[in-house]
Amino acid sequence: DAGVTQSPTHLIKTRGQQVTLRCSPKSGHDTVSWYQQALGQGPQFIFQYYEEEERQRGNFPDRFSGHQFPNYSSELNVNALLLGDSALYLCASSSLGPFNEKLFFGSGTQLSVL
Amino acid sequence: GQQLNQSPQSMFIQEGEDVSMNCTSSSIFNTWLWYKQEPGEGPVLLIALYKAGELTSNGRLTAQFGITRKDSFLNISASIPSDVGIYFCAGQLLGGATNKLIFGTGTLLAVQP
Repeated sequence: DAGVTQSPTHLIKTRGQQVTLRCSPKSGHDTVSWYQQALGQGPQFIFQYYEEEERQRGNFPDRFSGHQFPNYSSELNVNALLLGDSALYLCASSSLGPFNEKLFFGSGTQLSVL
Repeated sequence: GQQLNQSPQSMFIQEGEDVSMNCTSSSIFNTWLWYKQEPGEGPVLLIALYKAGELTSNGRLTAQFGITRKDSFLNISASIPSDVGIYFCAGQLLGGATNKLIFGTGTLLAVQP
């Protein structure tokens, strides 16, 4: 049983570029959340997707957008990259709707913006 | 963004010692969780707590949901080298619209054999 898978594992971009990160949830899970983890910090909630809709958004600008597909997989898009966007981006999935607090995390995508 | 206050920030101990760490918030939480993160990996759930005063164990780990609902504690007994990692507390706000978690700043644990 595959857990949460994310791709790519590492990515290097330059300021102003756009990036797309991908996530496949754990088998049987229907809800996907994205978190940003800066170096030395705890993860920060970006947004959650359930039933292909964004259910809640954290304190992140509109440059951060996402999508959930019918197979429950998800993408995180970041436009106009800034140096401060360099971080580990974590995808987490859960089952039984948007309120299940037991999140399963992927290994993340390490994004470096130069 | 909002983060919970975790202490200590780091701990360097000998194998076999017991470890205690805690997490505090200015907000009331509905649920407290403790995660462990190892290098190159995402956080892994260790313990979930649902009621004020609840004490829950998972092997050598014991966690408590504070009675004020604004804090939580994690104890590790008889530490071993594989306990090395960063431990995060996380809380789910009372009345939250989703399962959004607010994470602590983390406690780095190093265990010397």
